[in-house]
Order: sequence, then structure tokens, then C-alpha cells
Amino acid sequence: DAKTTQPTSMDCAEGRAANLPCNHSTISGNEYVYWYRQIHSQGPQYIIHGLKNNETNEMASLIITEDRKSSTLILPHATLRDTAVYYCIVNLDNNDMRFGAGTRLTVKP
Amino acid sequence: DAGVTQSPTHLIKTRGQQVTLRCSPKSGHDTVSWYQQALGQGPQFIFQYYEEEERQRGNFPDRFSGHQFPNYSSELNVNALLLGDSALYLCASSRGRGHTGELFFGEGSRLTVL
Repeated sequence: DAKTTQPTSMDCAEGRAANLPCNHSTISGNEYVYWYRQIHSQGPQYIIHGLKNNETNEMASLIITEDRKSSTLILPHATLRDTAVYYCIVNLDNNDMRFGAGTRLTVKP
Repeated sequence: DAGVTQSPTHLIKTRGQQVTLRCSPKSGHDTVSWYQQALGQGPQFIFQYYEEEERQRGNFPDRFSGHQFPNYSSELNVNALLLGDSALYLCASSRGRGHTGELFFGEGSRLTVL
């Protein structure tokens, strides 16, 4: 069972920041927060992961609250190609990743 | 650098038949995990292979079995197919077990059971 709660769907205007929330109130101290996305008819793609500190890479930023009970994935300048299902996963490592239903993000022109 | 490759991409079977799906991991990767993704749902973990042995297993019946070869490639076998086995089957690879790095997924094999 997924340990996270995400909105079912979200819309974002092209060029604007997309902020995708995730609740993980039962996260344990050594569990990481992972984000993957799945564009239609493709396999999931890794985006970013973090433990306590905020993380940034070329794709996105991950903001984790101080109590670690929630996080936000930020796509700074969303494009139409960012339309996908985004999965937030809490796990000790990359074994046995438990995907929930995710958030369907639609980027609109 | 080839990523994770899976074959076949699509296949159709009838109830009761058996199917074998194949996966070649990304170069340098030695761990393969298999996932089942039903339409409209997130991927569900089936099992993971490392050093030619099944290391972890999700909540799937024994009809689902696998194998890993010395070159790290892997097969997923499903026996006595049911209509509910219709899904996208995804293979993911990584380097070693128990790491926090990313999983690399293939494009999947879409199985339709009639």
C-alpha cells in the first residue's frame, strides 16, 4: 500500500511553475521521498529524491517540510511535455518501490 | 548507451496460456525488478532479481515466476493466464540492491488476455 496521498489531478499553465503536493504523514526517519513521472505509454522516469534537505536538479526541485510529513515537487517552468502522471513514493531505498495512483498533471497552452 | 529494453512490446494471449516476457537491463546494472501496471493504476511491484535469485516479492501468486541470467537479463513468466493479468508489464534496472539511486524503467510489454 502506498504511504502517500496526492491530488488526483492538477492543471498548470505553460511557462508557469507547477507545484505538486504530497502528504506522507507516517514517514519514518530513514525513508526517502522519491518522485517519478510517467508520460503516456512510456515507462516511469525518475525525477528526484531527498531525505531531509531540499533538493534541486536539472528537472525539478523538491521541498520537504521540516517535520517531513509532506513535500512539494516544483517544475519551475512547465512545458507541454511535462504533461504526465507524477508519483510520490516514500521508501528506504530503490527496492520494492510502492507506486500509488499519482497526480495527473496537465500543462495547458 | 542502451537503456532498459523489453520484448515483446505487445502480445495477445488467451486464458489458460502461458507467457514469457524478457528484459535487458541498462549497461552496468545487475538488479532487475518487475512491475505490473493495470490500466489507470500505478505500477505494482512483482519481484526483484539480483545475482540470479529472487530477492524480494510483492503480493503476486506463484503463477508469476522469473529468472535472471548470468548476463543480468531477466524473464518474467506467467502461467495459467487470467483476464485480470491484462496489463503493462514494466522492467526496471539498477546497480546493486538497497541503494537510494534511481530506477531505470523500460517501455514495457503490453499483455492482453482474451
